[in-house]
Amino acid sequence: DVKVTQSSRYLVKRTGEKVFLECVQDMDHENMFWYRQDPGLGLRLIYFSYDVKMKEKGDIPEGYSVSREKKERFSLILESASTNQTSMYLCASSPPLGSSYNEQFFGPGTRLTVL
Amino acid sequence: QKEVEQNSGPLSVPEGAIASLNCTYSDRGSQSFFWYRQYSGKSPELIMFIYSNGDKEDGRFTAQLNKASQYVSLLIRDSQPSDSATYLCAAQDFGNEKLTFGTGTRLTIIP
Repeated sequence: DVKVTQSSRYLVKRTGEKVFLECVQDMDHENMFWYRQDPGLGLRLIYFSYDVKMKEKGDIPEGYSVSREKKERFSLILESASTNQTSMYLCASSPPLGSSYNEQFFGPGTRLTVL
Repeated sequence: QKEVEQNSGPLSVPEGAIASLNCTYSDRGSQSFFWYRQYSGKSPELIMFIYSNGDKEDGRFTAQLNKASQYVSLLIRDSQPSDSATYLCAAQDFGNEKLTFGTGTRLTIIP
C-alpha cells in the first residue's frame, strides 16, 4: 500500500514563528505536492517537486518555501507564520507521467493553527 | 486561470437512489479527470479517473466525460449512507503533473 505520512496531525504556532511541515512517502514517487485546503476554496497548490532539489511554484506560494533533499521527503516551510496561514495542509505524491496510473496519493493532513 | 467548477451542494439523495455529481472545466487542454472522495476530517482518496469521452464504470460508480461540452460527471448507483462525503473533481492537462481541483460537492445520503 502506498503510504504518505505527515509529521503532525495538529499543530499550534504563534505569529512570526518559523514552521516546518514534513511529508514522507514510501512508494519511490518522483512527484510530491503541498496543498492547503480551506472551506469554500478547495484544494490549492502551494508548491510542487518533480525530483530531488527541483521545485515549482503552485498557485499560492507566497509566504511559503519548500525543501526536497531526498526523494521520499518533501518539507513545507512557513518562514514567518501569520494568522491567514491557519489551514489544513495536505501533502501528496504521484508517479511520473507515463506510468500506468497517475493518481495523487494524499497524506492524512496537518491542521495548523496560527495564533 | 484554469477553473474546475462544482456545485458545492449539499446534495441530498435517498438511500438506494442514484446520486449525480457534476463538474465543468474551463481549459480545453485538460485531458484527464479524477474523482476523489473526502470524508469529513480525512484526506481525499481516489475513486475513479477518466480520460476518454464516454462512460467508465467501476462497481457502483460511473464516470462520464464529454470533452465537447467540457463536462465530467460521477454517478453513484444504489447510494449508501457510507457514500456521504465531499466529492472533489480534478482536471489534468496533457503533459502536466499537476491537478486543478474543484471546490467539491458535499453529498448526503438519507437513510
